[in-house]
Amino acid sequence: ETGVTQTPRHLVMGMTNKKSLKCEQHLGHNAMYWYKQSAKKPLELMFVYNFKEQTENNSVPSRFSPECPNSSHLFLHLHTLQPEDSALYLCASSPKTGPSEKLFFGSGTQLSVL
Amino acid sequence: GESVGLHLPTLSVQEGDNSIINCAYSNSASDYFIWYKQESGKGPQFIIDIRSNMDKRQGQRVTVLLNKTVKHLSLQIAATQPGDSAVYFCAENSNGGGFKTIFGAGTRLFVKA
Repeated sequence: ETGVTQTPRHLVMGMTNKKSLKCEQHLGHNAMYWYKQSAKKPLELMFVYNFKEQTENNSVPSRFSPECPNSSHLFLHLHTLQPEDSALYLCASSPKTGPSEKLFFGSGTQLSVL
Repeated sequence: GESVGLHLPTLSVQEGDNSIINCAYSNSASDYFIWYKQESGKGPQFIIDIRSNMDKRQGQRVTVLLNKTVKHLSLQIAATQPGDSAVYFCAENSNGGGFKTIFGAGTRLFVKA
């Protein structure tokens, strides 16, 4: 186990649904990340939080809304998604952001949008 | 229309042989590089890293080589085992308005028994 737990592992949702992805890390890290991994593109950075503050939004559409209530938990709220949003969503943590950041990933949530 | 998936480079090696996975990175200002391994159904896992002031670093059965002149990174796996079958990603960490880790497309390694 990597110390980063994501739930659910699989999610199927319609375009009008609202759902949330959850990530929890037990490593005592201060930075948390959302990455998107699809069949068409390499791992894409979506959001970065450092000490609960968002430090990076990589031009992500507003239908994805992150929330970081504390350094151990990270959520990704989803609403009115499109079929092209179907992908593996990976959460990661690191001791801190910045140079030499080493990422610890969860197993991901496989999302299918119908 | 029909969707086209990302076509990953593939390396097929015989068990016990050495594997070399190559990666070209994009930013000459990147100063930290990492190799990750992703097995089926799992997230990427850290393998080994190297800073830009080094050109070689060795771990257990793995060696990373860095050539900054041509912006090239390689991962060597000695005595490749079936458990090494996975997708391998190189990643660079650079400061472009805030430090980010940017991943390459990945290489799929098949190990034949």
